[in-house]
Amino acid sequence: DVKVTQSSRYLVKRTGEKVFLECVQDMDHENMFWYRQDPGLGLRLIYFSYDVKMKEKGDIPEGYSVSREKKERFSLILESASTNQTSMYLCATGTSGRRELFFGEGSRLTVL
Amino acid sequence: AQSVTQPDIHITVSEGASLELRCNYSYGATPYLFWYVQSPGQGLQLLLKYFSGDTLVQGIKGFEAEFKRSQSSFNLRKPSVHWSDAAEYFCAVAMYNTDKLIFGTGTRLQVFP
Repeated sequence: DVKVTQSSRYLVKRTGEKVFLECVQDMDHENMFWYRQDPGLGLRLIYFSYDVKMKEKGDIPEGYSVSREKKERFSLILESASTNQTSMYLCATGTSGRRELFFGEGSRLTVL
Repeated sequence: AQSVTQPDIHITVSEGASLELRCNYSYGATPYLFWYVQSPGQGLQLLLKYFSGDTLVQGIKGFEAEFKRSQSSFNLRKPSVHWSDAAEYFCAVAMYNTDKLIFGTGTRLQVFP
């Protein structure tokens, strides 16, 4: 089975803090994604990586950056957290060309 | 721009009743189509997918979906709902030239005994 592990299930941070969310997969998938999930808005793509050190902006990249130094690991970074970034963050992975995604359990971030 | 519409935000059914969740997409060509389910506190799990071929696809947990090109729809169905089906359901599409999925806003299913 594909395993997608998100390092933290619940985080509480203060406005202005730097936040790291990490995602690790064990299936050698080329593609990794970060989505943000909010009630009534569904899932919105923040960033996408199709290879090590390669990234592409999604629909809502503002206020976020990403890092992919190793194939199995994809990090989402909030340089200066704001209250409007309080949300559920979902990591997903997939094989290039197959489009089927496998999701982690999510990281619920609260910014105070 | 491509989009996915799930017109029903919340649906309530009795256990044993049939279920249909609606999904419409906006895209010039036939996209790749997916249904995912999210149980409370969990990530998303793939229920079924349509890439090509037979327009009626079977998935896990007794779910099926039918692709109707003329209506740009991909509705999810189950003949008899179980209490454990209570969850949020997301429809998603991907274009032929990208691995990125676009998700609908979700439909929350509540099941009464």
